[in-house]
Amino acid sequence: TQLLEQSPQFLSIQEGENLTVYCNSSSVFSSLQWYRQEPGEGPVLLVTVVTGGEVKKLKRLTFQFGDARKDSSLHITAAQPGDTGLYLCAGPRYNFNKFYFGSGTKLNVKP
Amino acid sequence: DTGVSQDPRHKITKRGQNVTFRCDPISEHNRLYWYRQTLGQGPEFLTYFQNEAQLEKSRLLSDRFSAERPKGSFSTLEIQRTEQGDSAMYLCASSPYSGRNTGELFFGEGSRLTVL
Repeated sequence: TQLLEQSPQFLSIQEGENLTVYCNSSSVFSSLQWYRQEPGEGPVLLVTVVTGGEVKKLKRLTFQFGDARKDSSLHITAAQPGDTGLYLCAGPRYNFNKFYFGSGTKLNVKP
Repeated sequence: DTGVSQDPRHKITKRGQNVTFRCDPISEHNRLYWYRQTLGQGPEFLTYFQNEAQLEKSRLLSDRFSAERPKGSFSTLEIQRTEQGDSAMYLCASSPYSGRNTGELFFGEGSRLTVL
């Protein structure tokens, strides 16, 4: 059982559509991070959310941290083929000796 | 380039051979993590260093895996007597230690291991 559960696992959409990816846990996290990873490369940090209820925007990407700091969502507006990749959520253990990762959401945006 | 670098990027080896991967973190980062990732899955934690001290090691890690960070700078991950199940991408990440501690990982490009 993973500490962070992501859904959906796979998403294939047309360019211009909107989508939401979810990251859920039964544990409270001090922060959650979202990463994007392309094939054969390491994950790249997109955003960190820290405060319960926080909303952060990065161009067409909107990230939200749940009020109880147990879950987060990533919403993409008007998806483009360049958004294709594996989206990962991650959160640190209390002492930062370890980060837990979700299993990822593989997004494919078709032109 | 001042990012995290990993070497080699790709390694193909025969079952039973030993392999070693190197990671050079961002110079001012004193936290260093190793992860393993199989295709389409999220990274799986292997071990963590704060400076030269190895403070955390996954219980899933067999005795064939060992990691070092001798001077608190670069790190090596060695796998002895490789098995086909060791085939994966090995990721290194570094992070700065700060009082704010919101936690961001900066990953290298990974070392892909194929065991034949």
